[in-house]
Amino acid sequence: GAVVSQHPSRVICKSGTSVKIECRSLDFQATTMFWYRQFPKKSLMLMATSNEGSKATYEQGVEKDKFLINHASLTLSTLTVTSAHPEDSSFYICSARHSGGLNEQFFGPGTRLTVL
Amino acid sequence: QKEVEQNSGPLSVPEGAIASLNCTYSDRGSQSFFWYRQYSGKSPELIMSIYSNGDKEDGRFTAQLNKASQYVSLLIRDSQPSDSATYLCAAYSWGKLQFGAGTQVVVTP
Repeated sequence: GAVVSQHPSRVICKSGTSVKIECRSLDFQATTMFWYRQFPKKSLMLMATSNEGSKATYEQGVEKDKFLINHASLTLSTLTVTSAHPEDSSFYICSARHSGGLNEQFFGPGTRLTVL
Repeated sequence: QKEVEQNSGPLSVPEGAIASLNCTYSDRGSQSFFWYRQYSGKSPELIMSIYSNGDKEDGRFTAQLNKASQYVSLLIRDSQPSDSATYLCAAYSWGKLQFGAGTQVVVTP
């Protein structure tokens, strides 16, 4: 159990386009999902916390208009990178916190974004 | 001061030996602690969670928690080359997981 999927796994796009990444909890309900980015050989960096039915909470320094997050249901959160630029190229990973109360978080497989 | 601190390594461990990873955290209010394994180019995978002082064993993994010392550790027994990865310690604090920078483990045949 506790499977989180992410789609797409890899995307290459042109500068200026927008990219949407989906994160789904497949076998459990997740009232809270998290979005991270990770540069090569660097630590995970939390971008935002996404709560079902409410606005996301962004970490300091993360542009909310640049990284749009929607958490429309208990099993789906989306991250849209708007007007992507080469510096947005990174590994984006979502995680979902199990609603069971133990604070366990399960990660999706990640999306590797390359902006040309 | 970082919320969660780990030695970055690399920690070189002979195959079959015990790998010992350490982690300290700053928030005394943290109640939940986790170890994740991350292979290069992949996302983190939850391998252990611990909530009470003492030891918790799961297969070849043992997590140890000492809340008084604000210390969490992970032992990997009978280390295998497939255990070569970065191990992330995390503490639940202020509504989210605080991650350490990770310890790279290299198991040598």
